[in-house]
Amino acid sequence: QKEVEQNSGPLSVPEGAIASLNCTYSDRGSQSFFWYRQYSGKSPELIMSIYSNGDKEDGRFTAQLNKASQYVSLLIRDSQPSDSATYLCAVGTRTGRRALTFGSGTRLQVQP
Amino acid sequence: DAGVIQSPRHEVTEMGQEVTLRCKPISGHDYLFWYRQTMMRGLELLIYFNNNVPIDDSGMPEDRFSAKMPNASFSTLKIQPSEPRDSAVYFCASSPRGGAGTGELFFGEGSRLTVL
Repeated sequence: QKEVEQNSGPLSVPEGAIASLNCTYSDRGSQSFFWYRQYSGKSPELIMSIYSNGDKEDGRFTAQLNKASQYVSLLIRDSQPSDSATYLCAVGTRTGRRALTFGSGTRLQVQP
Repeated sequence: DAGVIQSPRHEVTEMGQEVTLRCKPISGHDYLFWYRQTMMRGLELLIYFNNNVPIDDSGMPEDRFSAKMPNASFSTLKIQPSEPRDSAVYFCASSPRGGAGTGELFFGEGSRLTVL
């Protein structure tokens, strides 16, 4: 079992719709959770971080965390073609270990 | 402010040759990470440093790979001898000192390595 799992997609949504991206992780001791966006041929960039159970909103983005279910998700409201990218879930899997473990990413396509 | 700077951006070499990838982290960042990205395996951690000291190199594939950080502004990742399966994009990232698990990694643009 991979430490961080994501559906590779592609996930295709029409412009203006809500895109829902999901991620599960295996280490119950994980304490920090992140979503990175990676455009084709570019490097990953951080878009959301979440540390506590519940929802965290930032503009059109909402991160959701459920530690009991070992599940983290990212919702993108009013999806735009410019949101088309690969979204990487990253988890801080061990206390004190600063490195992140990344999922393989979900490719999102927003259709105009 | 300059971001993380990596060189070369592209490298094509033949099997058996030595490859050296270079990274200059963001000034003031205490952590430096080397990741490798392939379609099959995604983004994998190779090694990371804290204050120039290697902390975790468990992701380094084998003895052919080595990494150094001689000072706070420079790191190298060396592959000797290179093999076709080493073909990937190698990312360097740095992170500022802060609370544990802040997790904001600032990535360089990557070095795309092709080993023929």
